[in-house]
Amino acid sequence: DQQVKQNSPSLSVQEGRISILNCDYTNSMFDYFLWYKKYPAEGPTFLISISSIKDKNEDGRFTVFLNKSAKHLSLHIVPSQPGDSAVYFCAASSENTDKLIFGTGTRLQVFP
Amino acid sequence: ETGVTQSPTHLIKTRGQQVTLRCSSQSGHNTVSWYQQALGQGPQFIFQYYREEENGRGNFPPRFSGLQFPNYSSELNVNALELDDSALYLCASSEDRYSYEQYFGPGTRLTVT
Repeated sequence: DQQVKQNSPSLSVQEGRISILNCDYTNSMFDYFLWYKKYPAEGPTFLISISSIKDKNEDGRFTVFLNKSAKHLSLHIVPSQPGDSAVYFCAASSENTDKLIFGTGTRLQVFP
Repeated sequence: ETGVTQSPTHLIKTRGQQVTLRCSSQSGHNTVSWYQQALGQGPQFIFQYYREEENGRGNFPPRFSGLQFPNYSSELNVNALELDDSALYLCASSEDRYSYEQYFGPGTRLTVT
C-alpha cells in the first residue's frame, strides 16, 4: 500500500520557468511533510518541509503548498535553474511514528 | 560541522553471505535511521536507533539487524543475503528521535550476485 504517491515519474521545464512537483498521500495521520532532492551517487538532501498546521512554506526559490482536504502537496521552484535537475522525493511522517515514508520520486530536468 | 558519512561506497557480495555497513551520524545528532532504496523506488524504512536502542522497525525480516554505539555511529548487518537485497542503503541522522527532519549520507550500493 503506497501511502505517499508521486504520479509523475519525470518533468521537463525550461530554465527560468516554474517547476511544479506534485505529491498525494492517503494517511490522514501524517502531520509533517518534507521534500528531498537527490543527485546521482549522492544521498537525498533535505530541501524544505511543512507542518500540517500550515498551508504554505517558502524558502527562497522553493515553496511548498499543502492542501489537507485533498491530501495533496506540491513543490514550486521559481525560477528553475539547470542545477535543479535531480530526482525529487516527497516524504511524510506523523507524531506517532519514527520513520519517513517516501514517494517514488519525480525526475526534474531543467533545460536551457 | 561534519555531515553523515557511510562506508563502504560500493560492495559486491554473494548470495548467502553476510554484510556490515557503517554510518557516522552528523555532529550533535543522537538518532540514526536506516533505509533501503531499490532501483526506481523511494527509500524504505528499515529501523531507527536512538541512544543505542532500537526505536522502531519497518517491514524487514530479522536477518536485518543493527547497532548504535556510544558515539552514535551505527552499523547495519544483513545475514543470509538474497538477490533482492541488492539496493542503495541509506543512513540518516537526526537531532533526536522526535525530530522530523533527517539528514542523509551518500549511501552504500550493495550488489548481491
